[in-house]
Amino acid sequence: GENVEQHPSTLSVQEGDSAVIKCTYSDSASNYFPWYKQELGKGPQLIIDIRSNVGEKKDQRIAVTLNKTAKHFSLHITETQPEDSAVYFCAASADYKLSFGAGTTVTVRA
Amino acid sequence: EAGVAQSPRYKIIEKRQSVAFWCNPISGHATLYWYQQILGQGPKLLIQFQNNGVVDDSQLPKDRFSAERLKGVDSTLKIQPAKLEDSAVYLCASSFGTSGRNEQYFGPGTRLTVT
Repeated sequence: GENVEQHPSTLSVQEGDSAVIKCTYSDSASNYFPWYKQELGKGPQLIIDIRSNVGEKKDQRIAVTLNKTAKHFSLHITETQPEDSAVYFCAASADYKLSFGAGTTVTVRA
Repeated sequence: EAGVAQSPRYKIIEKRQSVAFWCNPISGHATLYWYQQILGQGPKLLIQFQNNGVVDDSQLPKDRFSAERLKGVDSTLKIQPAKLEDSAVYLCASSFGTSGRNEQYFGPGTRLTVT
């Protein structure tokens, strides 16, 4: 089955700086890569996704990049704000099933 | 639009007891998922329903876990008997379609503590 690894496990950034989270996946058939944000006491919420026919996607301060050859994808958050503090999960899907990474706890220091 | 509802939000039981969780998905969503999220890990799929049929239950410990989705709407997940290692957050999610490329909407989860 699909194995998704995510790094780093924790990330502390100064407000206004950028944050980058990286993930690798094992199944070359995977073609959908969503990113979820989970705040304390809540369920994960989709913040951005990318499909295998696209190398990069941007939505305001958030961007994702995908390298299918190397089987890795990344989340970039620019101009971080205190409300960006949360746990972020990457995931990959080849068919009907999502496989999640272990998560990155992001703390934005004021 | 109302989100995915789950109850209870918290549950504490002793090992070997039984427990049940309830989920009401977003109206019109055909697919319902139950995930187990152990502290410090990502969600792990336990079972996926499409309407009231099971799509995937390969990761469900069937000797102690059971789930049903009557009439293709609400769902319950039961654990009997519970073990210490079942302590986790149980997340319910739903999506409009059946493909893994459909956005999944998650409920707030039920935090289970087994003592």
